[in-house]
Amino acid sequence: QSVLTQPPSVSAAPGQKVTISCSGSSSNFGDNHVSWYQQLPGTAPKLLIYENNKRPSGIPDRFSGSKSGTSATLGITGLQTGDEADYYCGTWDTSLSVGVFGGGTKLTVL
Amino acid sequence: QLQLQESGPGLVKPSETLSLTCTVSGGSISSSSSYWGWIRQPPGKGLEWIGTIFYTGGTYYNPSLNSRVTISVDTSRNQFSLKLRSVTAADTAVYYCVRQGVNLFTPSWFDPWGQGTLVTVSS
Repeated sequence: QSVLTQPPSVSAAPGQKVTISCSGSSSNFGDNHVSWYQQLPGTAPKLLIYENNKRPSGIPDRFSGSKSGTSATLGITGLQTGDEADYYCGTWDTSLSVGVFGGGTKLTVL
Repeated sequence: QLQLQESGPGLVKPSETLSLTCTVSGGSISSSSSYWGWIRQPPGKGLEWIGTIFYTGGTYYNPSLNSRVTISVDTSRNQFSLKLRSVTAADTAVYYCVRQGVNLFTPSWFDPWGQGTLVTVSS
């Protein structure tokens, strides 16, 4: 069982918007930053969002992140079939000095 | 561009030691703006953080694996390594090496990732 909680799956039509939630506890989320990763089928995960809402260079602004209290959200607008992937949230628990991930959310673009 | 590449046996016998090495290219492993980590993913399952190391040798380990894991760094070769002792079938997974960014002097986000290597534990 993962430390962070994500819905197992979400789906939406092409062109629509979807959000993926990630919830933790005050001990792991607290003041810690959340990051998000996209794992396309058969590939390694790729960083989408870091420090709650920052996008690495090359990540389109269709992807956004936010965090409030013990919850974080990944938003994806203008959905494309190429966005079908597993999405993971993660954080570094500074109180325990451990890395933790959510269980992953499978996005289906109908 | 920073790149990471895992290497090591793809098959390990139960009770033996899994050993993997990650070679870093396009940047120095001795950077103060990086930590280096290992993450694994059992087939069809989610991500599990294994451990993290700084170039000076300081380490952090997943408590659930702490008694069996050792991560070390070789700055002369720009490599870091993972050893997991007394493996069982439950340790079968794709193992990824990753760079971690730094936030307020602590490890943070994971980027980039190596391509991953499948290690199967079987006799």
